[in-house]
Amino acid sequence: KAGVTQTPRYLIKTRGQQVTLSCSPISGHRSVSWYQQTPGQGLQFLFEYFSETQRNKGNFPGRFSGRQFSNSRSEMNVSTLELGDSALYLCASSWGTDGYTFGSGTRLTVV
Amino acid sequence: SQQGEEDPQALSIQEGENATMNCSYKTSINNLQWYRQNSGRGLVHLILIRSNEREKHSGRLRVTLDTSKKSSSLLITASRAADTASYFCATDPGSSNTGKLIFGQGTTLQVKP
Repeated sequence: KAGVTQTPRYLIKTRGQQVTLSCSPISGHRSVSWYQQTPGQGLQFLFEYFSETQRNKGNFPGRFSGRQFSNSRSEMNVSTLELGDSALYLCASSWGTDGYTFGSGTRLTVV
Repeated sequence: SQQGEEDPQALSIQEGENATMNCSYKTSINNLQWYRQNSGRGLVHLILIRSNEREKHSGRLRVTLDTSKKSSSLLITASRAADTASYFCATDPGSSNTGKLIFGQGTTLQVKP
């Protein structure tokens, strides 16, 4: 079966712009989580969605937001981009609590 | 920081040797998971061990968990060049922390052919 698909793979944006990243989970998985990975902070949890509802949120500013659609696909949005937002953004889907399947990530560079 | 710690940060071994990575964490857990990441790509789930388990095997992988010490170890036996990657432990705190994994900083493993 198809894995977790993230689009786009690479993105270059200018400070102050906004960006939307997309994640299509494995079919049947209703939970989608988002993570930010940077060399300095490592992997940090952004938020988790289940059946279109945000169930959990990490410690990120309000510029970071997300949503989930009825088909479980999820998007995350970052507004007013800062240089420090440059990172690999990973999404993961799961069916239960037996581990997560991650996508290949979106590499965001803010210039 | 909520993140756990892994050691060593980097490990270089010869093909055929065993590699051991250690992970310590801070909070109570529902389970602990290990992931592999190749060159900044996505994470690949390797193995999950629940809080009431002490040891688990999967192929060449062996994971132990000591909840009293809040620590875990991952052993890769008979390593191969293809095992070269970064390895992360991640704790699932369970309860109301749905979908949230707390990752360690990772161990970079290099296996020389």
